[in-house]
Amino acid sequence: NAGVTQTPKFQVLKTGQSMTLQCAQDMNHEYMSWYRQDPGMGLRLIHYSVGAGITDQGEVPNGYNVSRSTTEDFPLRLLSAAPSQTSVYFCASGRDQPQHFGDGTRLSIL
Amino acid sequence: GQQLNQSPQSMFIQEGEDVSMNCTSSSIFNTWLWYKQEPGEGPVLLIALYKAGELTSNGRLTAQFGITRKDSFLNISASIPSDVGIYFCAGQLEGTALIFGKGTTLSVSS
Repeated sequence: NAGVTQTPKFQVLKTGQSMTLQCAQDMNHEYMSWYRQDPGMGLRLIHYSVGAGITDQGEVPNGYNVSRSTTEDFPLRLLSAAPSQTSVYFCASGRDQPQHFGDGTRLSIL
Repeated sequence: GQQLNQSPQSMFIQEGEDVSMNCTSSSIFNTWLWYKQEPGEGPVLLIALYKAGELTSNGRLTAQFGITRKDSFLNISASIPSDVGIYFCAGQLEGTALIFGKGTTLSVSS
């Protein structure tokens, strides 16, 4: 049972580049969400989804897009990376709350 | 917007001591969750609370949902070195997204 799988684990981008952070869960959870974690800031919600085809914004959605075409996958897209998006990104899933977290993607924007 | 104040920010204790930390909110919540995060990993859900006044244990950990619905407490009894990590509270009002505190960093010396 893999739980929540995030890829890649590490990534370095240049300002202006785009990329997609992948998140997949194999527990048939309806709820999935993306958080960013910065020193001294705790975890801040970017976007979340309560089921396939349904997404909503969290506390810090600007600069990020999401989609939920399947129950299993919830990718996070950075359209034009900025240094302020340097952070550790966590994906989480659960029945109706973030019960299981992935191990994170460490993203640096130069 | 909703804010969570988590205290203390950090704790340095001796093995065997009991630990208490708490979260307070400016708003009422329907759900309180407590997580632990170890270095390089995602948060792990420890305890979930769903009713005001509820007291729930998970091994040496005990958490309470405050009567006012604006606070929650986590106690760790007889601490051991593997209790080291960052503990996060999170609160949620039904229909809204989960809000995280900024964490309590626990250090245990043996």
